[in-house]
Amino acid sequence: DVKVTQSSRYLVKRTGEKVFLECVQDMDHENMFWYRQDPGLGLRLIYFSYDVKMKEKGDIPEGYSVSREKKERFSLILESASTNQTSMYLCASSSQGPSYNEQFFGPGTRLTVL
Amino acid sequence: GENVEQHPSTLSVQEGDSAVIKCTYSDSASNYFPWYKQELGKRPQLIIDIRSNVGEKKDQRIAVTLNKTAKHFSLHITETQPEDSAVYFCAAREGRGSTLGRLYFGRGTQLTVWP
Repeated sequence: DVKVTQSSRYLVKRTGEKVFLECVQDMDHENMFWYRQDPGLGLRLIYFSYDVKMKEKGDIPEGYSVSREKKERFSLILESASTNQTSMYLCASSSQGPSYNEQFFGPGTRLTVL
Repeated sequence: GENVEQHPSTLSVQEGDSAVIKCTYSDSASNYFPWYKQELGKRPQLIIDIRSNVGEKKDQRIAVTLNKTAKHFSLHITETQPEDSAVYFCAAREGRGSTLGRLYFGRGTQLTVWP
């Protein structure tokens, strides 16, 4: 059973703080993704990674960075948190290749920036 | 990149009725179209998918149809039940460089099934 876990379900931070969101998957997936989910806006891709130490910008990378030092772990970093980054953050992973496309999601982290 | 549009944004049906959610995509090379269901407070989960070489796929009460010429695909839920109430997302995968697996998601449809 694929398992994607995220370090926190709920997080409250202050404006200007550096925030780390961690995601771990246990299925040896090559691809990992960070999404932001806001009501009415769906799932917006922030960054994704298709290999260790590789990263690609998604649609809304501004204000975020990522790190992938190990295959199973993908971190999202908010260098200086702002109130407009209050949101639900979802991590996902998937295998590569044309036959394996399902993205498996983590439970999400609800981040509030005060 | 790909652009996926999803309609309607909200849908209310009576239990037992059918529900249809429609999506369009822009990249004719897209070749994989999954649908995810997200119940309140839970993570999105894949419920059905279709590949570009297939026109229709069915799994019990849910079915997906794909019209490649018109670049649209639809989710059909028959005999709806209250537990079908959730947000449904459609998605499309680019056909180029497809091994990377990036999906482009629609904005979601909030389906409410009234008992």
